[in-house]
Amino acid sequence: NAGVTQTPKFQVLKTGQSMTLQCAQDMNHEYMSWYRQDPGMGLRLIHYSVGAGITDQGEVPNGYNVSRSTTEDFPLRLLSAAPSQTSVYFCASMHPGGVNTEAFFGQGTRLTVV
Amino acid sequence: QQPVQSPQAVILREGEDAVINCSSSKALYSVHWYRQKHGEAPVFLMILLKGGEQKGHEKISASFNEKKQQSSLYLTASQLSYSGTYFCGTENFTSGTYKYIFGTGTRLKVLA
Repeated sequence: NAGVTQTPKFQVLKTGQSMTLQCAQDMNHEYMSWYRQDPGMGLRLIHYSVGAGITDQGEVPNGYNVSRSTTEDFPLRLLSAAPSQTSVYFCASMHPGGVNTEAFFGQGTRLTVV
Repeated sequence: QQPVQSPQAVILREGEDAVINCSSSKALYSVHWYRQKHGEAPVFLMILLKGGEQKGHEKISASFNEKKQQSSLYLTASQLSYSGTYFCGTENFTSGTYKYIFGTGTRLKVLA
C-alpha cells in the first residue's frame, strides 16, 4: 500500500513563481486536506475537501488554490509564491466520523521562497 | 480557531510522567492524538470519541471532556522514545460536513 504520496520533498522558489504540490492517496478516503507547519504554530489547515468536486477553505487559505477532480488526487497550487509561504507542507487523508478515523500523512514538502 | 495546547514544551527524565492538554473553542465530535519526530510526518497515537469510546495505545492514555471541549494526554513512565512534538487533532461536524484541525503542539523531550 502506498498510502499518501506527496511530492516534491524539497523545493526552492523565487518570489512570484508558481508551483503545484502533488498529493495522491490510494485508500479511497473521501476527506483530504493540506496543512502548513511553522515553528510554534502547529499544523494549520489551508484547504480541505470532503469529496471529489467539493473543496473549502481552512484557517490560512490566502495565496493557495486547490481542486479535487478525483477521489485520489488533491493538488495544492501556489500562484505567486511569497517569502511568507516558506514552510513545511503536509497533505493528509482520512475517513472522518468513526472509531477508525485516523489521519494518514504524506512525507511533507519543505518549501523555501527566496 | 486552532485548539490550544499546554504546556508548549516540557522536559522529563526517563520514568517520569507528563500530561498534555488540548482545549478547543468548538464543539467536538472526536479528538485524536499524534506524535511527530523531527523531520517526519505525525504518527497517530489514539482517538477519543464523543460518548467515551476510545481506541489507543498501551502505555499512553487520554481523556475527553465533551462539555468543556478539552482533552488530556497522559504519558506514564516516559521513555526516551517518547520525545517529539505532540499534537491533538480535533474533528467537528458543522453545516453537514466534517472539518479536522490540529492544535498548536507540545514539544516533549525525555532525558536519560
